[in-house]
Amino acid sequence: DAGVIQSPRHEVTEMGQEVTLRCKPISGHDYLFWYRQTMMRGLELLIYFNNNVPIDDSGMPEDRFSAKMPNASFSTLKIQPSEPRDSAVYFCASSFPLRDTGPLHFGNGTRLTVT
Amino acid sequence: TQLLEQSPQFLSIQEGENLTVYCNSSSVFSSLQWYRQEPGEGPVLLVTVVTGGEVKKLKRLTFQFGDARKDSSLHITAAQPGDTGLYLCAGGPETSGSRLTFGEGTQLTVNP
Repeated sequence: DAGVIQSPRHEVTEMGQEVTLRCKPISGHDYLFWYRQTMMRGLELLIYFNNNVPIDDSGMPEDRFSAKMPNASFSTLKIQPSEPRDSAVYFCASSFPLRDTGPLHFGNGTRLTVT
Repeated sequence: TQLLEQSPQFLSIQEGENLTVYCNSSSVFSSLQWYRQEPGEGPVLLVTVVTGGEVKKLKRLTFQFGDARKDSSLHITAAQPGDTGLYLCAGGPETSGSRLTFGEGTQLTVNP
């Protein structure tokens, strides 16, 4: 089991550019979560999917953020246009069926820096 | 909105000392999970407690869920440098169909 795989590990971009973060969940997990972690706000849930369908996107900061899950093995989080305040570590996590309250298996995150 | 408060936020101790980390809320949770996160990695689940008053042990770590299922504690005996990390508690909601609420974490440093 390779675990949750995220790419890229690090992303540095300029304000205004589009950023796409990618995630491959653990096979057989049908819940997928996107979190953002900062020193100030800790770990925040942005959106989660069940069986590829978005269930709760109330944590998405604004319309600049969008997430998709075209199939059970792939999800993307897109920021367009990016802003310096979006700088954070973004985590993807997945969990077993019928367990939207965890336990969660996290990837190693994408550290995003927007200059 | 359910909130979880962790204390202390930062803790620096010497190897061999004991410590306790607290996770408190005014809300009731169906379950409480503890995760540990090391630099450059995602959080990793340590334990899940689901019953009020439940105590679970994982080697030198003891986890307790409060009787009212509103709080939890993590006690580490004879801490070692390998215990260094960010400890996060996360609560599952009393009602179904929602998501975990994470505390802000306790950053533990164990000095050799």
